[in-house]
Amino acid sequence: QTVVTQEPSFSVSPGGTVTLTCGLSSGSVSTSYFPSWYQQTPGQAPRTLIYNTNTRSSGVPDRFSGSILGNKAALTITGAQADDESDYYCVLYMRGGISLFGGGTKLTVL
Amino acid sequence: EVQLVESGGGLVKPGGSLRLSCAASGFTFSNAWMSWVRQAPGKGLEWVGRIKKKADGGTTDYPAPVKGRFTISRDDSKNTLFLQMSSLKTEDTAVYYCTTFDYAAFEIWGQGTMVTVSS
Repeated sequence: QTVVTQEPSFSVSPGGTVTLTCGLSSGSVSTSYFPSWYQQTPGQAPRTLIYNTNTRSSGVPDRFSGSILGNKAALTITGAQADDESDYYCVLYMRGGISLFGGGTKLTVL
Repeated sequence: EVQLVESGGGLVKPGGSLRLSCAASGFTFSNAWMSWVRQAPGKGLEWVGRIKKKADGGTTDYPAPVKGRFTISRDDSKNTLFLQMSSLKTEDTAVYYCTTFDYAAFEIWGQGTMVTVSS
């Protein structure tokens, strides 16, 4: 069974840059998986950040960027701010029309 | 304003059934692929299923954990999406979100409705 992998937790200093990754338990992530990224704060619905690997959703600041780094999808946050402290989830679109979420990364800004 | 509003959540016994609704506004619902995503308490997000727009066949896809138990349908005349859940298990306890689906991504999200499966 294929699993989408994410770092369980990460921390970044205010103003710093952090890259979160999204991999596969077997194989490499490519643009063919149309990776997307979501931000969620406790008690709130998720917010779409990035779709189709590197396209920012409407209203998302350009501090957030998506890419493929090596064999993984990546979400980079530059100039981290206090309100970036959230859970971040990636999704890969698999064969057969299955959407698979990663387990999420809890980002701390301190 | 683009908006999705879920309703129909509540407490149901194991083995029971429940139907969730999602009222859409602010966009052309009939042109949208739609999806349901859930989140168990303290856990991550999980895709529950998807329905294409009728022009693309109106077909549905489901992940293994809910296939055969959950059914997604739509009423384009009422701009409403449905999730019929049957043979419910305690592990189906979650907040259920309605979303649009475009470019292989979940785009617009509702605020969610809580489903609790417990005896």
